[in-house]
Amino acid sequence: EAGVAQSPRYKIIEKRQSVAFWCNPISGHATLYWYQQILGQGPKLLIQFQNNGVVDDSQLPKDRFSAERLKGVDSTLKIQPAKLEDSAVYLCASSLEGVNTGELFFGEGSRLTVL
Amino acid sequence: QKEVEQNSGPLSVPEGAIASLNCTYSDRVSQSFFWYRQYSGKSPELIMSIYSNGDKEDGRFTAQLNKASQYVSLLIRDSQPSDSATYLCAVWGSGTYKYIFGTGTRLKVLA
Repeated sequence: EAGVAQSPRYKIIEKRQSVAFWCNPISGHATLYWYQQILGQGPKLLIQFQNNGVVDDSQLPKDRFSAERLKGVDSTLKIQPAKLEDSAVYLCASSLEGVNTGELFFGEGSRLTVL
Repeated sequence: QKEVEQNSGPLSVPEGAIASLNCTYSDRVSQSFFWYRQYSGKSPELIMSIYSNGDKEDGRFTAQLNKASQYVSLLIRDSQPSDSATYLCAVWGSGTYKYIFGTGTRLKVLA
């Protein structure tokens, strides 16, 4: 079974530039999550989708971050304009169940460096 | 108050000892509790889940849950150097529908 796919794995940009990350969850997984993990910290939930609807985006900085989940499958997370503090690993995860319990399956992450 | 709190460590234990990792959470209606292991530069992977009060054992790992005290712990018996990693506590609750992680505890098992 194919895992969660993310791209790109690494991205280096200058502040005020834009960047987009892509995620393809495990086939059949209804729930998709984007987390931001800054070095030395735990993953911070940015946005959670159930199929193509948003369950929670309370910690998404909406003035610069946006995310969408096309047709309830793939998802894209965009940052525009980027700030230095956005340097982090962006983790995409999916789960089989609905909005509730169960294991999260993570992709390998997209490491962003903002200079 | 943070939603899920862990001691960041590092927690150092000798090989063969028991490592005890602790986590507290703030949302009383939390229903599901998870321990993930994250090696440096890698993504988290699930090692234990627990949903009801008491203990749950899986091999060398035991998860303990006390909902009244809003406390969940992970015990690792016969710790091995390969157990050296960051252990993340995660909580899900029907009140928020959010899957929230703690900051993680870094464990070092000394050979």
